[in-house]
Amino acid sequence: DSGVTQTPKHLITATGQRVTLRCSPRSGDLSVYWYQQSLDQGLQFLIQYYNGEERAKGNILERFSAQQFPDLHSELNLSSLELGDSALYFCASSPDRSVYNEQFFGPGTRLTVL
Amino acid sequence: GESVGLHLPTLSVQEGDNSIINCAYSNSASDYFIWYKQESGKGPQFIIDIRSNMDKRQGQRVTVLLNKTVKHLSLQIAATQPGDSAVYFCAENGAAGNKLTFGGGTRVLVKP
Repeated sequence: DSGVTQTPKHLITATGQRVTLRCSPRSGDLSVYWYQQSLDQGLQFLIQYYNGEERAKGNILERFSAQQFPDLHSELNLSSLELGDSALYFCASSPDRSVYNEQFFGPGTRLTVL
Repeated sequence: GESVGLHLPTLSVQEGDNSIINCAYSNSASDYFIWYKQESGKGPQFIIDIRSNMDKRQGQRVTVLLNKTVKHLSLQIAATQPGDSAVYFCAENGAAGNKLTFGGGTRVLVKP
């Protein structure tokens, strides 16, 4: 158990809908990262938040957005969903803003768009 | 459990043998490299990391080798055990230095 929790574990929805994925980092970690893992694209970095502020951005679509709240939990919002958004979404956390740290991954949310 | 990368390269190894997993990284500006292990149905788990000022680093039963000349990274697992069966990913921090880029992964199957 990494100490990172993600909810829900599974999510099934329809095209055009909007969903919110939630992540609670390890106690004391200030950085939260979001990743997408699909069969054809592998594991891709989406975005990082550090202590409530956006720190780094990766291949995140404009239809996707994230935020980190004062209690440090984070949410990833996916809107206007398409079939291709079906994937595993992982959250990871680390103690500070530096990339030179071990990132602890949560168990993931499996999103299926029908 | 979840299935990751159905068409991943696969390394089959006999229990007790040593495993070597290779990774070619893309960005010569990367100065930080990590190996992750992902078991079925779970998130990636950190194994070992190495900075570019080193060419070798050892952990418990694992060794990472870095060859910057040919942009190659390898993970050696000694005395491979059934619990080592998983998908292994290398990652680099890239030109910007602050984002991890993951390789496609290698599936390791340990035969009893």
